Amino acid sequence: EVQLVQSGAEVKKPGESLKISCKGSGYSFTNYWIAWVRQMPGKGLEWMGIVNPGDSDTRYSPSFQGQVTISADNFISTAYLQWSSLKASDSAMYYCARHVRASAGVYQFYHYMDVWGKGTTVTVSS
Amino acid sequence: ENVLTQSPGTLSLSPGESAALSCRASLSVSSIYLAWYQQKPGQAPRLLIYGASSRATGIPDRFSGSGSGTDFTLTISRLEPEDFAVYYCQQYGTSPYSFGQGTKLEIK
Repeated sequence: EVQLVQSGAEVKKPGESLKISCKGSGYSFTNYWIAWVRQMPGKGLEWMGIVNPGDSDTRYSPSFQGQVTISADNFISTAYLQWSSLKASDSAMYYCARHVRASAGVYQFYHYMDVWGKGTTVTVSS
Repeated sequence: ENVLTQSPGTLSLSPGESAALSCRASLSVSSIYLAWYQQKPGQAPRLLIYGASSRATGIPDRFSGSGSGTDFTLTISRLEPEDFAVYYCQQYGTSPYSFGQGTKLEIK
């Protein structure tokens, strides 16, 4: 079974650092990018960025560039999202998802996220 | 950034009825780069449609997608009780791969 298993809920204080994880199984981890998506309480989905576990190529949304670091370790099939100094506004649910790039014809590719983790709740409060 | 605007914000319908959810992009998107997701309370999103009109594995045929350019529609026919949820469109044509703000489909 293809699945992404995320690390457990975190409660942190402002200014602390944090690294959450997303472990893939049931497929070749290096063949698919992993995306991170934020959902603040009662709000919609926000695409944060994406990492290619095969070569660690990473792309960020401008809204999150410089605020978080996305990485991956393909030897343990795990992607990460980390903060160096948390803020209260980082309190949210964070999902990882498998990003598929599938052939749609000559030099054309579908993109979509077909497998999602259950999410990691991050609470930042003094 | 390509801004996706979904309408209506909330749609109130009864089981058995049909729903049409709109997703309008600020910049033209190739249809192969448009996807729809469903999210129920307390759950992760689930892929419904990719390539604007292709159903994901296991998605019932009462879900269909259409559109091109800047206007896309998710249609749900014969609404079932389990279809009441929040629906998001997402584009992959331009980074950042933005989502719409969502349409909540609620039971009337």
